[in-house]
Amino acid sequence: QKEVEQNSGPLSVPEGAIASLNCTYSDRGSQSFFWYRQYSGKSPELIMSIYSNGDKEDGRFTAQLNKASQYVSLLIRDSQPSDSATYLCAVSGGYQKVTFGIGTKLQVIP
Amino acid sequence: EAGVTQFPSHSVIEKGQTVTLRCDPISGHDNLYWYRRVMGKEIKFLLHFVKESKQDESGMPNNRFLAERTGGTYSTLKVQPAELEDSGVYFCASSQQGRNEQFFGPGTRLTVL
Repeated sequence: QKEVEQNSGPLSVPEGAIASLNCTYSDRGSQSFFWYRQYSGKSPELIMSIYSNGDKEDGRFTAQLNKASQYVSLLIRDSQPSDSATYLCAVSGGYQKVTFGIGTKLQVIP
Repeated sequence: EAGVTQFPSHSVIEKGQTVTLRCDPISGHDNLYWYRRVMGKEIKFLLHFVKESKQDESGMPNNRFLAERTGGTYSTLKVQPAELEDSGVYFCASSQQGRNEQFFGPGTRLTVL
């Protein structure tokens, strides 16, 4: 079993729709949860961090965390073609290494 | 504020040669991390420095890999001798003391022929 599981996609959504990206993790001791966006050939860019159960909103992005279900998600509202990228779910036990999922490729269709 | 920088951006070497990768973290970031992504796989942790000390090197694949961070500023990752399976993109990331948000550099794409 992988430590961080993501569907590699691609996930295709029409422009203006909500994109829903999901992730599960295996280590119940995980404390920090991140979403990174990576454009092809570029570095991972941190877009959201979440540390407690519930929702965290930042602009068009909402991260959701459910520690009991070991589940993290990212919602992107009003999806734009510029949101097309690979979204990496990442998990950490604290001030230490981050464990990444394989990433979900998102395609926003104009 | 400058981000994490890495040099070189690309390196193509032959099996058995030596390569040294460099990472300059964001100024003031005490934590420095090295990661690697092999094609088709997840980004994997290699090691973590806090200032000049190795905090965690559990991800280093073998003793052909040597990381240093003299003076607690920039870091180097040397691969000697390089093998075919060392090919991949090597990322460096840094974070502030007491914060876990890690900011990534552009990566070095290493190809071993």
